[in-house]
Amino acid sequence: LAKTTQPISMDSYEGQEVNITCSHNNIATNDYITWYQQFPSQGPRFIIQGYKTKVTNEVASLFIPADRKSSTLSLPRVSLSDTAVYYCLVGDRMDSSYKLIFGSGTRLLVRP
Amino acid sequence: DVKVTQSSRYLVKRTGEKVFLECVQDMDHENMFWYRQDPGLGLRLIYFSYDVKMKEKGDIPEGYSVSREKKERFSLILESASTNQTSMYLCASSSFGGNQPQHFGDGTRLSIL
Repeated sequence: LAKTTQPISMDSYEGQEVNITCSHNNIATNDYITWYQQFPSQGPRFIIQGYKTKVTNEVASLFIPADRKSSTLSLPRVSLSDTAVYYCLVGDRMDSSYKLIFGSGTRLLVRP
Repeated sequence: DVKVTQSSRYLVKRTGEKVFLECVQDMDHENMFWYRQDPGLGLRLIYFSYDVKMKEKGDIPEGYSVSREKKERFSLILESASTNQTSMYLCASSSFGGNQPQHFGDGTRLSIL
């Protein structure tokens, strides 16, 4: 089973770039890597997804090296409202069904 | 926008009661999921369903069952609630395929007394 490992917490300041790395050594060939953001008292919200190299959207970038055993979520110029928990998710297929493995999450605190 | 609605934000029940948590999605998604979230443990998958009347066990199915009679609705059932089932329960849905982004409801905080 693909298992993910993330730092438990990170601190940053407004305006800085934040990089959160997720390790997934046993990722399967067909699996994508997906990141979610969660605020208190809300469900997780999809941020970005990728398979390899680099993906960028309006809120974040995702960097995936060639061996795909890790990935890095990059948040440019964070603000206070980016304080949240960030989850790395790797799909894992088993036979005809599949299990989705959430990491334990990284709690990001953005300070003024 | 996809909307996933959970029937209650807060629920208090007693030990031994049968508890139903309801979830409805409005985007005709094939996949629906139930998770529980506990401090320090992240999200853990209880059950998921990839079609009407179909279900698969997740990581922690013990003490739970599910029902999916209609495509848009996925119910989580605690047959005989216990205090260790006090938790935040999150429902999600996604379109067909293992790598599709999941859309979550805002959760039901369930307390078992």
